[in-house]
Amino acid sequence: EPEVTQTPSHQVTQMGQEVILRCVPISNHLYFYWYRQILGQKVEFLVSFYNNEISEKSEIFDDQFSVERPDGSNFTLKIRSTKLEDSAMYFCASRVQGAEKLFFGSGTQLSVL
Amino acid sequence: AQSVTQPDIHITVSEGASLELRCNYSYGATPYLFWYVQSPGQGLQLLLKYFSGDTLVQGIKGFEAEFKRSQSSFNLRKPSVHWSDAAEYFCAVGPKAAGNKLTFGGGTRVLVKP
Repeated sequence: EPEVTQTPSHQVTQMGQEVILRCVPISNHLYFYWYRQILGQKVEFLVSFYNNEISEKSEIFDDQFSVERPDGSNFTLKIRSTKLEDSAMYFCASRVQGAEKLFFGSGTQLSVL
Repeated sequence: AQSVTQPDIHITVSEGASLELRCNYSYGATPYLFWYVQSPGQGLQLLLKYFSGDTLVQGIKGFEAEFKRSQSSFNLRKPSVHWSDAAEYFCAVGPKAAGNKLTFGGGTRVLVKP
C-alpha cells in the first residue's frame, strides 16, 4: 500500500527556534492535513490544505504556524518560534479527491526544550 | 460541538479471546465514523469506516464495527484477537461534507496476553 512519509521521526529543538516538519504525501493525492497529539491527549486537527491554499484551520493553528507545498511532492509544517507546549507528535495525512480515506504518516515527535 | 469518547483507556485481552472497544460520539447529525489503529512506531491506519447503509461494517484484519444511532455508538469488535492486534485504537468522526476535519477519541490501548 502507498505510504505517507514524514521526516524526521524525532526532532528536538530549543524554545524559540523555528522548526520545519516535512511530509511527502502519496503522489496522486490532492488534499493534505496536519494533526498533532500531545502526550496523553487526543489527536487534534490542525489544518487542511488543497489547491495550494489552506481549506480549514483550527484554533491551535495560529500565526506561529504555516504550511507550504514548496514543490510537487513535499508538504511542510513550519512553527516559527516554538513553545514548550508545541511538544507533540505531529501527523501528516493525505487523500485523493472524492474519497474519505485518510492516509497518515508515522509522525514526527517534536520535543521543545 | 462534536466529541468522541472512548471510555476504556486500557484493555487487556488474552490471545484468542474476543475484543470489543467502545466509542460514543456527540455530533449535530450523523457523521462519518472511523476506526484507526496505531501500532508502535507506525502511523494511523484505517481499519474501517461507516458512511451510510448497513450498520455493521467489516474492516481489515478481521475487525467489524456496528453503528447504533439510538446510542450514538460505534463499537469495534473482533471475535478472536491475535498478538499482533496489540496497539492503540482510535475512534474518529468527521463531517459528511468534504473536509476530513476528524475529531478523535482519546484512544484505547490494547494489550494481548499470550
